Amino acid sequence: EAGVAQSPRYKIIEKRQSVAFWCNPISGHATLYWYQQILGQGPKLLIQFQNNGVVDDSQLPKDRFSAERLKGVDSTLKIQPAKLEDSAVYLCASSLARAHYEQYFGPGTRLTVT
Amino acid sequence: KQEVTQIPAALSVPEGENLVLNCSFTDSAIYNLQWFRQDPGKGLTSLLLIQSSQREQTSGRLNASLDKSSGRSTLYIAASQPGDSATYLCASGGGADGLTFGKGTHLIIQP
Repeated sequence: EAGVAQSPRYKIIEKRQSVAFWCNPISGHATLYWYQQILGQGPKLLIQFQNNGVVDDSQLPKDRFSAERLKGVDSTLKIQPAKLEDSAVYLCASSLARAHYEQYFGPGTRLTVT
Repeated sequence: KQEVTQIPAALSVPEGENLVLNCSFTDSAIYNLQWFRQDPGKGLTSLLLIQSSQREQTSGRLNASLDKSSGRSTLYIAASQPGDSATYLCASGGGADGLTFGKGTHLIIQP
């Protein structure tokens, strides 16, 4: 069974530029999550999708971050414009459904904003 | 709001020792508790998932326990090996809220 795929693996941009990350979850997984992991911290949930609908985006900085999951499969996370403090690893995870199910994580995208 | 704390923040032990990593959480109304391993520059690898109705889970040399009433979980690693060196993260699952993570324990196993 293929795992969660993410691209790109690394990205370096200047502040005020825009960037997009892509995630392909495990086949059949209805729930998709985006997490932000700042160096030395645990991951923090940004947004959660159930199929193609948003379940929770309370911690997403909506003035600069956006995410979508068209057709309930792949997802993209966008930052526009980027700030220095957005430098982090962006992790995508998926699970069969919400609540009791195990989450599986992708390798992450390491973003550096200069 | 759920808060997850992991102690110690870092640990270095000789190869072969048994060790315990600790995780505590403030809100006992959790659905599950998941332990992960993270290698430098890599994503998270799930180690064990304990549902709220369970007391422990075992996988090979790893054993995780859960005590909801006291808000604690422990990860026990038996006969540690240099390949066990990594950062270990625990996370509580609160249903609709995704996972809430601790900051992790950075573990080094000395050959």
